Amino acid sequence: GAVVSQHPSWVICKSGTSVKIECRSLDFQATTMFWYRQFPKQSLMLMATSNEGSKATYEQGVEKDKFLINHASLTLSTLTVTSAHPEDSSFYICSASVSGNNEQFFGPGTRLTVL
Amino acid sequence: AQSVTQLGSHVSVSEGALVLLRCNYSSSVPPYLFWYVQYPNQGLQLLLKYTSAATLVKGINGFEAEFKKSETSFHLTKPSAHMSDAAEYFCAVSELGGADGLTFGKGTHLIIQP
Repeated sequence: GAVVSQHPSWVICKSGTSVKIECRSLDFQATTMFWYRQFPKQSLMLMATSNEGSKATYEQGVEKDKFLINHASLTLSTLTVTSAHPEDSSFYICSASVSGNNEQFFGPGTRLTVL
Repeated sequence: AQSVTQLGSHVSVSEGALVLLRCNYSSSVPPYLFWYVQYPNQGLQLLLKYTSAATLVKGINGFEAEFKKSETSFHLTKPSAHMSDAAEYFCAVSELGGADGLTFGKGTHLIIQP
């Protein structure tokens, strides 16, 4: 149980295009989903927190107009990287949690490469 | 504010030897603490978590960690290393036990020598 999937697992795009990454909780309803970013050989940095039906809360320094997050249902959150640039190339990982449970379940990550 | 410091970006041990990965934390409230393992190009797998119950926490794959409030530490240990333990290990802290975003340490790359 408690499986989180991400799609796609990797994506290559041209500079200036937008990319959407999906995060799904497959066997539970996630009240909260989180998006993290991981640069090569570095740690995960929290980008934003989203609750179903509410606007996402972004961490300081994360551009909300560039990283659009939608949490339309209890099993799906999407991250759209708008007008992607090479510096946006990174490993994006989502996690999901259930209210009252002190654990986050992580997806396998999506590797974005912007040419 | 909370933070995590992992001492040693790389740790190398021989197969069968003790594994010790260090983690110190800073938190303004009693923390929830986690250890995760990450294999190349994969997401994170939870090894164990501390949630203010027992200070010695046992996890999967023979790992355990001890919460020491006086030292603000949560070091990860395993008595005997296996080759399959080679991976990146992250210590993380949370103030709301999963309801908030986790703050991660920079990670420790564990190398197992045959």
